Amino acid sequence: QAALTQPRSVSGSPGQSVTISCTGTSSDVGGYDFVSWYQHHPGMAPKLMIYDVTKRPSGVPDRFSGSKSGNTASLTISGLQAEDEADYYCSSYAGSYTRVFGGGTELTVL
Amino acid sequence: QVQLVQSGAEMKKPGASVKVSCKASGYTFTSYYMQWVRQAPGQGLEWMGIINPGAGSTTYAQKFQGRVTMTRDTSTSIVYMELSSLRSEDTAVYYCARDSRSYTGGFDNWGQGTLVTVSS
Repeated sequence: QAALTQPRSVSGSPGQSVTISCTGTSSDVGGYDFVSWYQHHPGMAPKLMIYDVTKRPSGVPDRFSGSKSGNTASLTISGLQAEDEADYYCSSYAGSYTRVFGGGTELTVL
Repeated sequence: QVQLVQSGAEMKKPGASVKVSCKASGYTFTSYYMQWVRQAPGQGLEWMGIINPGAGSTTYAQKFQGRVTMTRDTSTSIVYMELSSLRSEDTAVYYCARDSRSYTGGFDNWGQGTLVTVSS
């Protein structure tokens, strides 16, 4: 199962918006509405930010939003804040109980 | 509140096996699947497999089939991940994570991670 494709890095200034893409295939991202996104600060456990493509767990700011078109899912962070600087990973259900992660995107808040 | 507490760091020699535990509390242990994910130094997250604590059934990533075994003890609410024939590339932080909905949900709670170092 090949990893999903994410940009290695993105950046934005405080208050701006950034979008991180996550490209898979019809066997994972395109085939199921079970894409999730995780925020990962080094040395800490990952945190669930988006699940089922667009849903936010309680406590996650509405500045974080998710979408999907075809085989590509996206995470948009609006109103960037310094604490958003982290690594972000997408993940998709890939059938038969399996999952696949993206390679991760490093977000820098300038 | 939901808590997943993992066992401590391990140092192993190549060829050995390691068994990492993940103790769950704050919810009905058998009602949520548990996932295992690892992160090697400088690398991304990598899915290893899933266990249904209720039935004990498992599915492993193809990459680890034959080397990984996931089990559970319902009397203590602990899941285990054992990885055998360790090599240096298995040096990583290993996480357990609860699946929020059967086997298709987001991973809503994570253990603190267990560092496994493989070195001669």
